[in-house]
Amino acid sequence: AQTVTQSQPEMSVQEAETVTLSCTYDTSESDYYLFWYKQPPSRQMILVIRQEAYKQQNATENRFSVNFQKAAKSFSLKISDSQLGDAAMYFCAYRDQTGANNLFFGTGTRLTVIP
Amino acid sequence: NAGVMQNPRHLVRRRGQEARLRCSPMKGHSHVYWYRQLPEEGLKFMVYLQKENIIDESGMPKERFSAEFPKEGPSILRIQQVVRGDSAAYFCASSPPSFGTHNEQFFGPGTRLTVL
Repeated sequence: AQTVTQSQPEMSVQEAETVTLSCTYDTSESDYYLFWYKQPPSRQMILVIRQEAYKQQNATENRFSVNFQKAAKSFSLKISDSQLGDAAMYFCAYRDQTGANNLFFGTGTRLTVIP
Repeated sequence: NAGVMQNPRHLVRRRGQEARLRCSPMKGHSHVYWYRQLPEEGLKFMVYLQKENIIDESGMPKERFSAEFPKEGPSILRIQQVVRGDSAAYFCASSPPSFGTHNEQFFGPGTRLTVL
């Protein structure tokens, strides 16, 4: 079964600084999707960024970017110019490209932004 | 276009009672997924449904839990004879028909179930 590991239960960053959240995964598939979701105190799951495994180029969405290392099965999230509103739980997730449609989530990283 | 709707947002039940959680997918979406989030944990897949069909229930506990997605109306996650260990946040997600592979899942706000 696919597993997703987030080894940092908590992280903190100064406002306006950059922080990187780590994620590794295990799969025998060659084609799949990877996601980062944000869960603020409201508990709403918000998609931050998505990466297709067949794309070599790292995905970016404004201040959010990923470092996708397929051979190492690593998928880290970089948040630049951190803002107070970035404070939340961040979950890394994996989904097969074919077959099972469900997402496999890591245990999350709680990000604190220090003013 | 309204997002995924879940109700109730909060549900309190005593041990032994039944809990019914409802999920209305986004307009045009025919696939529904249920996930459970225990305190301080990530979301765990429970079941994947299309209209009138259960596609994958590999994450559902074998007893007391059931799910349906009828032709008309919302998807229902039903938990019979609840126990304290069922206390969790239950999230529903929906996605459009799987034409191609970009069937991104959109999440509802969740239902927080508390069992007393």
